[in-house]
Amino acid sequence: DTAVSQTPKYLVTQMGNDKSIKCEQNLGHDTMYWYKQDSKKFLKIMFSYNNKELIINETVPNRFSPKSPDKAHLNLHINSLELGDSAVYFCASSRGLAGVRQETQYFGPGTRLLVL
Amino acid sequence: QQQVKQSPQSLIVQKGGISIINCAYENTAFDYFPWYQQFPGKGPALLIAIRPDVSEKKEGRFTISFNKSAKQFSLHIMDSQPGDSATYFCAASRTFGNEKLTFGTGTRLTIIP
Repeated sequence: DTAVSQTPKYLVTQMGNDKSIKCEQNLGHDTMYWYKQDSKKFLKIMFSYNNKELIINETVPNRFSPKSPDKAHLNLHINSLELGDSAVYFCASSRGLAGVRQETQYFGPGTRLLVL
Repeated sequence: QQQVKQSPQSLIVQKGGISIINCAYENTAFDYFPWYQQFPGKGPALLIAIRPDVSEKKEGRFTISFNKSAKQFSLHIMDSQPGDSATYFCAASRTFGNEKLTFGTGTRLTIIP
């Protein structure tokens, strides 16, 4: 059973399009994250949700909008895609709750987005 | 204040040798320091983590050394194997609350026979 799954695995699209990436975790975790990994492998957090509530929102263009329908799902919608959005997007989850010590983050397999 | 600096960017080690990757942080409030391992085409996975109440933590061939006064920590891989070839990321955060992990820039490790 896959702990953190993402769909699609690959996404090739034209500039200006709108696309979504879906993430699901079956670990019973309360916190989920979106990370962006660029071509140089640099890994940077974009958003974090705890029990469907947004708790971390880094300096990300507002073309990126996360949505958490329930605590097991965190989707990422991207409007008006740009060339610079090409990257690998990772979803992750952890048990972390507010006021509880930092827990291991479990990463999904990634979604490779290529904007042409 | 939130940076974590990692070196080297890439490392080639002979099979059986010791691989050493170093990280330095600036924020003195950080007190959780994990290392993540990422194989090509996969997501990062936790390898080993340390909290500053100890100066060293060992799990199998992997050891974290931690120097609180110097604000540095390092990963040592003993008896390095070709299967250890991957990208390694150090990270840091505060223990409590929903603090984000700040990742280093990654080290691409290649173990040659």
